[in-house]
Amino acid sequence: AQSVTQLDSQVPVFEEAPVELRCNYSSSVSVYLFWYVQYPNQGLQLLLKYLSGSTLVKGINGFEAEFNKSQTSFHLRKPSVHISDTAEYFCAVSRVQGAQKLVFGQGTRLTINP
Amino acid sequence: KAGVTQTPRYLIKTRGQQVTLSCSPISGHRSVSWYQQTPGQGLQFLFEYFSETQRNKGNFPGRFSGRQFSNSRSEMNVSTLELGDSALYLCASSLSTSGNAGELFFGEGSRLTVL
Repeated sequence: AQSVTQLDSQVPVFEEAPVELRCNYSSSVSVYLFWYVQYPNQGLQLLLKYLSGSTLVKGINGFEAEFNKSQTSFHLRKPSVHISDTAEYFCAVSRVQGAQKLVFGQGTRLTINP
Repeated sequence: KAGVTQTPRYLIKTRGQQVTLSCSPISGHRSVSWYQQTPGQGLQFLFEYFSETQRNKGNFPGRFSGRQFSNSRSEMNVSTLELGDSALYLCASSLSTSGNAGELFFGEGSRLTVL
């Protein structure tokens, strides 16, 4: 089975500061990795994904993430955040082979203060 | 291109009733998945349909069921509602035909409140 741990339930940062949202996963098989964002009263939107290849993945809205297989981590970063980045962020994994389903972390609420 | 459409967006039911939620996937997407989101349990996989067949199922009781139609639209049903069924139910569609997760496109969800 797969599991995902998001190490911070809430992250407050000031506008234009850098941010890192941490994600660790556990799996006995190869997985794909994803970050989704959820704005209030909306569904989930894909920020970025790691399927294979380069371990540094760039996504939308200036976000990027680095896959570290030895540390089983997939941390999300942005060098300078904006008020509009206030949202909940979810890390997720799915098996490369087998059932098409995402296993999500508990989410990290990112709050941007002016 | 229209996104994933879920109806209704909000609904209130009482314990013991049943509810049906509807999802229209993005045109051309044949895989539809359902997730339940609650503050306590987070996002949990309910089931996935592809070409009118349930391909995968999560760990939910039999009160939770679904189906997919030939036009890929999907419905999920919850019978004998319990207070704990109050949640945001999210539908997602995908082009993936291999059974593995490509990009999932989510709808805005149906928020169910059980009184």
